[in-house]
Amino acid sequence: YELTQPPSVSVSPGQPATITCSGDKLDTKYTSWYQQKPGQPPVVVIYEDTKRPSGIPERFSASNSGNAATLTISGTQATDEADYYCQTWDSNTGGVFGGGTKLTVL
Amino acid sequence: EVQLLESGGGLVQPGGSLRLSCEASGFTFSSYAMNWVRQAPEKGLEWVSGISGSGVSTFYADSVRGRFTISRDNSKNKVSLHMISLRVDDTATYYCAKDMSLGPRAPDSWGQGTLVTVSS
Repeated sequence: YELTQPPSVSVSPGQPATITCSGDKLDTKYTSWYQQKPGQPPVVVIYEDTKRPSGIPERFSASNSGNAATLTISGTQATDEADYYCQTWDSNTGGVFGGGTKLTVL
Repeated sequence: EVQLLESGGGLVQPGGSLRLSCEASGFTFSSYAMNWVRQAPEKGLEWVSGISGSGVSTFYADSVRGRFTISRDNSKNKVSLHMISLRVDDTATYYCAKDMSLGPRAPDSWGQGTLVTVSS
């Protein structure tokens, strides 16, 4: 099973950023999203498609429909610049990560 | 607070072996699955292996199946990854990651990682 993400996304400060993650019948599985800044381990920002862990700002939201999940950051801030990975669990493959998307806040 | 402390990384020759360990604290260890996730230099995340909370069920990526073995000791709050027949492309930072459920599904907390370098 494979998850596909765009390698890079650019956004202006204060504007919404959208990162997509595509996979076959992805909406039949739970998707999580991770933020990773240079030199640091990943941090979960969304789990079970739409849930936000405590401590994650409300500007992070997500959806999962059909063959694609989407992470949206509303009012993107400079501190949101990072690599973002989607992840799911497949009964045949096990854990699967997308290739990652580098978010640049210009 | 969840804390995960990996150890055991280092430099090993191709074909060699290494055992990684992860000591966990701050949560009821046996109630959660555990995962190992790796990241090659300047590359993305790759899930490597997972083990259920009881330790009965284990899961592996195709790239490591037959070479890596995951295990856990719930009495010591410890999970291990025994790696044999190491290859140059196993070079990566290996993260220990607590899962959000009893069976592996998705990591929700990560250690700082331990670097494994496979080189002659």
